[in-house]
Amino acid sequence: EIVLTQSPGTLSLSPGERATLSCRASQSVSSIYLAWYQQKPGQAPRLLIYGASSRATGIPDRFSGGGSGTDFTLTISRLEPEDFSVYYCQQFGSSPYTFGQGTKLEIK
Amino acid sequence: QVQLVQSGAEVKKPGASVKVSCKASGYTFSSYYMHWVRQAPGQGFEWMGTINPSDGSTSYAQKFLDRVTMTGDTSTSTVYMELISLRSEDTGVFYCARGSYSGSHTPQDYWGQGTLVTVSS
Repeated sequence: EIVLTQSPGTLSLSPGERATLSCRASQSVSSIYLAWYQQKPGQAPRLLIYGASSRATGIPDRFSGGGSGTDFTLTISRLEPEDFSVYYCQQFGSSPYTFGQGTKLEIK
Repeated sequence: QVQLVQSGAEVKKPGASVKVSCKASGYTFSSYYMHWVRQAPGQGFEWMGTINPSDGSTSYAQKFLDRVTMTGDTSTSTVYMELISLRSEDTGVFYCARGSYSGSHTPQDYWGQGTLVTVSS
């Protein structure tokens, strides 16, 4: 099973700042099988990024993804108030598909 | 628009089984895999498995292999997830989620609202 470790666990920033979230895999993941999701309290997850760097439909361009192999990042260029939530990475190339434990992005 | 509507919350005793439904609309049901994902209270996500609605073929995570069954009904565009031999650790929110393009190795682009299953004596 591929273990995904996200860091930091909590990130405290202010609106307008840049956020960089990390996802490290226990073994190499093909970029085409790496996604990022956002989850707000009481809601289902929303797909943000797939294929490591492609934005899903309707996702603002302040969200970007990158990386390869075992190290991937999600960057939010300028934080808006609605961006403060929990973010998860997921690999879906190898069964079982696995998620990271999440990074909580909170307002400083 | 794509919608996935799940059945309501359930309370079950240990050892019982639960069957959660997920009714799809707004797209060609048989063209996209459906996945099931569990989220324990205050925790992250566990992928349970996936079903190809066009032929009913399934792939389950090893952890759930002996307890989960996923089925689909193309006449009603509904998929079902049954989990047997429930234990307290199974308590959580169960989501159905559509694979975003053809094939099983895809991210999930539309999610149901979630079904809370509580296992308690």
